Amino acid sequence: DAGVIQSPRHEVTEMGQEVTLRCKPISGHDYLFWYRQTMMRGLELLIYFNNNVPIDDSGMPEDRFSAKMPNASFSTLKIQPSEPRDSAVYFCASSLGSGGLYFGAGTRLSVL
Amino acid sequence: GQQLNQSPQSMFIQEGEDVSMNCTSSSIFNTWLWYKQDPGEGPVLLIALYKAGELTSNGRLTAQFGITRKDSFLNISASIPSDVGIYFCAGMNSGGYQKVTFGTGTKLQVIP
Repeated sequence: DAGVIQSPRHEVTEMGQEVTLRCKPISGHDYLFWYRQTMMRGLELLIYFNNNVPIDDSGMPEDRFSAKMPNASFSTLKIQPSEPRDSAVYFCASSLGSGGLYFGAGTRLSVL
Repeated sequence: GQQLNQSPQSMFIQEGEDVSMNCTSSSIFNTWLWYKQDPGEGPVLLIALYKAGELTSNGRLTAQFGITRKDSFLNISASIPSDVGIYFCAGMNSGGYQKVTFGTGTKLQVIP
């Protein structure tokens, strides 16, 4: 099992640019989560999907953030336009039913 | 909202010593999870607990689901240098949908 795969691992961009983060969950998992991790706020849930349907996006900071899951094997988190305060590590995780979450290696985003 | 407090925030121990850390919540959870995060990586699931009072081991790690369902404990026996990292607890309630709340983390340093 390849685990949760995220790309890119690192992203450096300039303020105002669009950023797209990608995630491939573990095959067969029916939940997908996007988290953001910072020193100040720890791990924050941004949004999660069940069977490709967004269930709770109350953690999405603002309208600049959007997430999609067009099929069971792919999800994107987009930030447009990006701002320096968006700099963080973004994690994708997946789970099967009530099982534990399995995380990807994360995308470290730096917005200059 | 729900909050999870972990203690201690950080600890330095001698190799070979046993370690104990705990996590407390302001509300009840149905599932407790313990994760370890190495630098530059995503959190890795160590142990999942599904029943109040449950005691589960994974090698040198033992975790317990508190009887009140508002706390959980993690013990590491005979620590080794590779135990270094940040340990996170997480509480989860499922009822058709899942939402996981992460603790603030315990940073463990092992002195060889």
